[in-house]
Amino acid sequence: GQSLEQPSEVTAVEGAIVQINCTYQTSGFYGLSWYQQHDGGAPTFLSYNALDGLEETGRFSSFLSRSDSYGYLLLQELQMKDSASYFCASGGSYIPTFGRGTSLIVHP
Amino acid sequence: NAGVTQTPKFRVLKTGQSMTLLCAQDMNHEYMYWYRQDPGMGLRLIHYSVGEGTTAKGEVPDGYNVSRLKKQNFLLGLESAAPSQTSVYFCASSSPDQADTQYFGPGTRLTVL
Repeated sequence: GQSLEQPSEVTAVEGAIVQINCTYQTSGFYGLSWYQQHDGGAPTFLSYNALDGLEETGRFSSFLSRSDSYGYLLLQELQMKDSASYFCASGGSYIPTFGRGTSLIVHP
Repeated sequence: NAGVTQTPKFRVLKTGQSMTLLCAQDMNHEYMYWYRQDPGMGLRLIHYSVGEGTTAKGEVPDGYNVSRLKKQNFLLGLESAAPSQTSVYFCASSSPDQADTQYFGPGTRLTVL
């Protein structure tokens, strides 16, 4: 089985940098994905790390350390529209398990 | 491309009624999934399918059935709805070579009274 832990809520101010952590306990770990979900909307894919290290996509970066069973999503130059829930997910083969999500609140 | 679509968007049922939720995808994906999302619980996998004609149970399958008669469609059935099935239901799909990249439908908001 798999379980993923992430903080329930993070707050930050516009323009700042915020890091959302995810620790996992899994069997058959393949990689770590991140999804964004705005209130009332559907989850949308942000990034995937199969290997250790940092993956950068615009203002968003994601990091994975397999030896520490740990990853994080880094959001830079925060904007109000980044207020949303962020989920980490671990795919064991084709059956993913999602964390419970982190609610990011961005203040002006 | 419409991506992943779900019907209906909203539904209110009485306890004991039955219904079917339809999911369709036009990306030729092999894998399809049904999740439910409840406040504070994240996304929990109900059933999934790795190809036409195949289905398997996920984390919370009780009270639900599924069918994948066509590759592009994945149906979720509730035979006798219960208040505990009040939730938001999401369908998702992915391809075998990028199974960790899931594409989600807009969701169905179901209330069981």
